[in-house]
Amino acid sequence: GAVVSQHPSWVICKSGTSVKIECRSLDFQATTMFWYRQFPKQSLMLMATSNEGSKATYEQGVEKDKFLINHASLTLSTLTVTSAHPEDSSFYICSASGPPQGGKNIQYFGAGTRLSVL
Amino acid sequence: AQKVTQAQTEISVVEKEDVTLDCVYETRDTTYYLFWYKQPPSGELVFLIRRNSFDEQNEISGRYSWNFQKSTSSFNFTITASQVVDSAVYFCALLDSNYQLIWGAGTKLIIKP
Repeated sequence: GAVVSQHPSWVICKSGTSVKIECRSLDFQATTMFWYRQFPKQSLMLMATSNEGSKATYEQGVEKDKFLINHASLTLSTLTVTSAHPEDSSFYICSASGPPQGGKNIQYFGAGTRLSVL
Repeated sequence: AQKVTQAQTEISVVEKEDVTLDCVYETRDTTYYLFWYKQPPSGELVFLIRRNSFDEQNEISGRYSWNFQKSTSSFNFTITASQVVDSAVYFCALLDSNYQLIWGAGTKLIIKP
């Protein structure tokens, strides 16, 4: 159990376009979802936390208008990188937590999305 | 402040050797959770273990074992008889009161055949 699916796994886009990344919990209700960004050879940097049905809480320094997060259901959250630029190129990872898989305390991760903006 | 320190940036051992990955944490909370995750080259983070601050029993799962010592604020991870497939980056993390993970910098483990 506790499977989190993230799509796409790899996306290449032109500068100025928008990219949507989906994160789904396949076998549990994800009451909370997290979006991270990871630079090469670095640890994970939390971008935002979203609870189902409410607005996401963004970490300091993360642009809300740049990284739109929607958590419309208990199994789906999306991250849209709007007007992407080369500096947005990175590895984006989502995670989900919720009952019955450990409640709020365990985050299960998607496989990540590698975004390359040309 | 809450903090997780993984002082070992990279460890390289030969297959079948035992290896220990260190994790030291700082927290003011009396109740907290500690985690280990594995990130193989594919990128996906794999949950390995969660430890409650009230449970100091060491845990063993196959070749993996964890040593939780509250007195030294450490939560070390040992792989016995390492295998090439164990090669990955391993992250130690602390759950804060907002249910957010405080991550260590990670330790890259290289197992040579």
